[in-house]
Formats: sequence, structure tokens, C-alpha cells
Amino acid sequence: GQSLEQPSEVTAVEGAIVQINCTYQTSGFYGLSWYQQHDGGAPTFLSYNGLDGLEETGRFSSFLSRSDSYGYLLLQELQMKDSASYFCAVGGDLTGGGNKLTFGTGTQLKVEL
Amino acid sequence: NAGVTQTPKFRVLKTGQSMTLLCAQDMNHEYMYWYRQDPGMGLRLIHYSVGEGTTAKGEVPDGYNVSRLKKQNFLLGLESAAPSQTSVYFCASTTSPGGRFFGPGTRLTVL
Repeated sequence: GQSLEQPSEVTAVEGAIVQINCTYQTSGFYGLSWYQQHDGGAPTFLSYNGLDGLEETGRFSSFLSRSDSYGYLLLQELQMKDSASYFCAVGGDLTGGGNKLTFGTGTQLKVEL
Repeated sequence: NAGVTQTPKFRVLKTGQSMTLLCAQDMNHEYMYWYRQDPGMGLRLIHYSVGEGTTAKGEVPDGYNVSRLKKQNFLLGLESAAPSQTSVYFCASTTSPGGRFFGPGTRLTVL
């Protein structure tokens, strides 16, 4: 089976940096993904780490350490529009596993003035 | 490109009624998925398809059926709706390992 843990809620100030952690336990690991979901909206894909290290996309960065079964999403220069839920997900086997993802329960990020 | 579209957007059913949710994608993706999302929870996989004519069970398949007769369409059926199936249903498609393109969702209430 697979399980993921992430904080349920994080609060930060506009302009600050926030890190959302994700630890996982899986029977087989292929990669760690991050998704953003605003209230009432659909999840949108942010990043995917298939290998250890840091991936940067604009104000967002994602990190993976496979030896520690751990990853994080880093959001810089926080804006009010970043207030949303953030989900980590593991999976992504294209070789026969159906490319399935298992999602965490999400972290509600609140950005305050 | 419309991306991933879902119909209907909202639906209210009575217990025991049946319905079909339609998902369509215009990106020529092989993989398609149906998820449900309940308050305060992540997305749980109901069924998925790795190509036209194929379907497979996900994490929570009971009470649902699916069909993928055409590559661009993935249908989710509820045979006999139950209040426990009240949820938001998302369809998604992809060709990449970790990414998904999600549709806007269908909000279903079963009374």
C-alpha cells in the first residue's frame, strides 16, 4: 500500500516563503507530484520529481529525497492568490502500473496580509 | 483546445437512480482517470484506462462502472446511486508520469 503525510494547514504572510512537507511510504516509488487546488476548483499540476533534487518553476520549487521518503514544495514571494490547498501525490509508473497516483489529504495554505 | 471537459457540472439524484458522467479530452491522451473527492480528503481513484477499449479498477471502484469506447471519451456510470456517492467527481487525462490535466468536476448529490 501507499500512504502520504502532509500538514493539514499552514499560514504565512504575503511576500514570505513557505515550505509544505510530504513524507510517504510506498511499496514501489516512481515520483512525487504536487498539485494546487483553489476552493471550488479543479486540481492543477505544479511539478513532478522523478529523481532526487530540486526542480524550480518560477516562484515554486519542489524537492525530493528518495532515501528519506520525503519531499517538499517551496513557495516564494507569497501572494494572496496562492491561498489554496496543495496536494502531494506518489506514483507515475508508465511501464505497466497504469500510471496511477496516490494523493495525500492536502495542506490548506492561508496567505495573510 | 478545450482540454478536459465534463458533463454535467451539477446533478442531484435520488437513491437508487442511475446516471452517466461524461469526460472528454482533445489532447490525444492515452491515460484517463476518474477520481472522487470528499470534503477534507484527497483524490481517490475510482477507475482508470490506459487506452481505448481498456478499463481497470482503482482504489474505490464499488458501485461504479466505466467505458472507454473512444480514445477521447471516458464514461463513468452509477448503477444505483447511494448517499455515500455524494461527492465531487473529477476526470483527468495524461501522457506524462506525474502530471494530470483535470476537468472542472461534477458535483453530485444523492438524496
